[in-house]
Amino acid sequence: DVVVTQSPLSLPVNLGQPASISCRSSQSLVHSNGNTYLNWFQQRPGQSPRRLIYRVSNRDSGVPDRFSGSGSGTDFTLKISRVEAEDVGVYYCMQATHWPPWTFGQGTKVEIK
Amino acid sequence: EVYLVESGGGLVQPGGSLRLSCAASGFTFSSFWMSWVRQAPGKGLEWVANIKQDGSEKYYVDSVKGRFTISRDNAKNLLYLEMNSLRAEDSALYYCARGKEVDSWGRGTLVTVSS
Repeated sequence: DVVVTQSPLSLPVNLGQPASISCRSSQSLVHSNGNTYLNWFQQRPGQSPRRLIYRVSNRDSGVPDRFSGSGSGTDFTLKISRVEAEDVGVYYCMQATHWPPWTFGQGTKVEIK
Repeated sequence: EVYLVESGGGLVQPGGSLRLSCAASGFTFSSFWMSWVRQAPGKGLEWVANIKQDGSEKYYVDSVKGRFTISRDNAKNLLYLEMNSLRAEDSALYYCARGKEVDSWGRGTLVTVSS
């Protein structure tokens, strides 16, 4: 199974400052069809998860452009250019290249300092 | 807009059974893979199972193989998860989600396995 490891697990950030979350996989997430199926999800307190980014760097509809995804192979990053209060929550990466199983990272809790 | 509404959760004793349902609307249900993902209290997300559009392929996380069965009724836009031989470690909020890349989620239904 592909293991997906996030860091840090806790990320205190000042409002208006940038934030960055790393996601590393135990093997390359490049599919034989050339796509890389690495997604990012946000889960605000008390809410269901919401997908933010799909296939490394594509923002879902309605996602603010302060969120961006990058990376390749086994190393990926979610960046928030300027953290706002509504960004508080837990962020997960998930790989959907090598399945089953589909695997999630442990989650990174973003909080305001 | 995509709507996914789960139901069927509750309190069950160890060894018991439950059947979860997910009612889908706002999209062509029969065109999408569908998934179940769970989240134990205070824990992270765990993919549980998914099913191909026509039900011909089904996949499960190892910990539920032989105990859980995913199915769907495309005529009724319903996704199911039949859960047998339930264990305490199956206690979680169970989410229904759309697609292999999990682009939309329901609000979840809570399953508690306890005596």
